[in-house]
Amino acid sequence: EVQLVESGGGLVQPGGSLRLSCAVSGFLVSNNFMTWVRQAPGKGLELVSVIYTSGGTFSADSVKGRFTISRDKSKNTVFLQMNSLRVDDTAIYYCARENGYSGFDHWGQGTLVTVSS
Amino acid sequence: ENVLTQSPGTLSLSPGERATLSCRASQSVYSNFLAWYQQTPGQAPRLLIYGASNRATDIPDRFSGSGSGTDFTLSISRVEPEDFAVYYCQQYGSSPYTFGQGTKLESK
Repeated sequence: EVQLVESGGGLVQPGGSLRLSCAVSGFLVSNNFMTWVRQAPGKGLELVSVIYTSGGTFSADSVKGRFTISRDKSKNTVFLQMNSLRVDDTAIYYCARENGYSGFDHWGQGTLVTVSS
Repeated sequence: ENVLTQSPGTLSLSPGERATLSCRASQSVYSNFLAWYQQTPGQAPRLLIYGASNRATDIPDRFSGSGSGTDFTLSISRVEPEDFAVYYCQQYGSSPYTFGQGTKLESK
């Protein structure tokens, strides 16, 4: 059975840092494109970061230079290091697998990040 | 960036009626890499349709997708009570992948 379980969210002050984790079972993160998608309260979905099978990455302009996606093959886990957090980074952060033509076919339950003083 | 515009913003229907949701792209979607997702309150999005017209695993056949180029449609042949939710389209054919703003399907 495929499972993606996010953790690491919480309340942080503006300018602070958080590290989100996405523990995966049922497939290997190193053999798949893995993504972080966020959803601000009452808003739509926004792709934040992607890590490709090659290890290359993509980051949205809104987080470039502040957020870094990575993976640990031994733990089969994907991470999102978030630095210099801003109030408008407040959102539920979902981990999802991008399965090529088949779209984003597996999602975690999400972890809430609240940036507030 | 390929901007996706969904219409209507809200669709009010009764169970058993047909639902038609639209997604229009500002540029042609590469190879019809267009997906539809369903999101109910407090839940993660769920993949319904990929490649514009292919149902994902375990998705009932009352859901269907169509379209190509810049105009796409999600149809629900007969709305069931569990179908009241927000629906998002997404293009994943060109970077950055983008989502529409969503259509809320609500009970009349």
